Amino acid sequence: LAKTTQPISMDSYEGQEVNITCSHNNIATNDYITWYQQFPSQGPRFIIQGYKTKVTNEVASLFIPADRKSSTLSLPRVSLSDTAVYYCLVGLLGESNFGNEKLTFGTGTRLTIIP
Amino acid sequence: ETGVTQSPTHLIKTRGQQVTLRCSSQSGHNTVSWYQQALGQGPQFIFQYYREEENGRGNFPPRFSGLQFPNYSSELNVNALELDDSALYLCASSRDYRDEQYFGPGTRLTVT
Repeated sequence: LAKTTQPISMDSYEGQEVNITCSHNNIATNDYITWYQQFPSQGPRFIIQGYKTKVTNEVASLFIPADRKSSTLSLPRVSLSDTAVYYCLVGLLGESNFGNEKLTFGTGTRLTIIP
Repeated sequence: ETGVTQSPTHLIKTRGQQVTLRCSSQSGHNTVSWYQQALGQGPQFIFQYYREEENGRGNFPPRFSGLQFPNYSSELNVNALELDDSALYLCASSRDYRDEQYFGPGTRLTVT
């Protein structure tokens, strides 16, 4: 079961780019990496998902090095509304793993945006 | 398109009782996962259902059980409640067990 580690907290000013890194040293071949955002008293919200290299969508980018032992979520030009807890999730991908789906959330990073 | 819904929103139970939590998955989704989130902690995976069959389980005792119905809605049952079961219980659905999950707002369970 892939264990993940993230910084407990980060602070940033509005308008800056924020990078949050997740370590997953024992990630398996079929594991994919997903990032979620969670506000207090709400369920996590999907941000981005990837398997290798770089993935970009309208809200974030995800960088995954060749060894896949870590990943970095990049949030461009953050605003106060980006203050939340960010989770890295490592899970199984592929038909061969059917019946053994286990999903591990990281410890979460509490991001605080300063005006 | 209706998102993931959970009921009830809040629940208070006494130690030793049993509880059933419900989740309606998003339209077109055949996979439901359940998580327990204690205060200040990340969500912990309980189990997942794919097309009405259990598709993996986390490190939770057998008194945590589940069910998925033909319409892909799901139930989480917890027997013999303990004080440590107090938490936010999250349900997430996905189009397929390999796809990204969409979470519901959660059920806040308090055991006294």
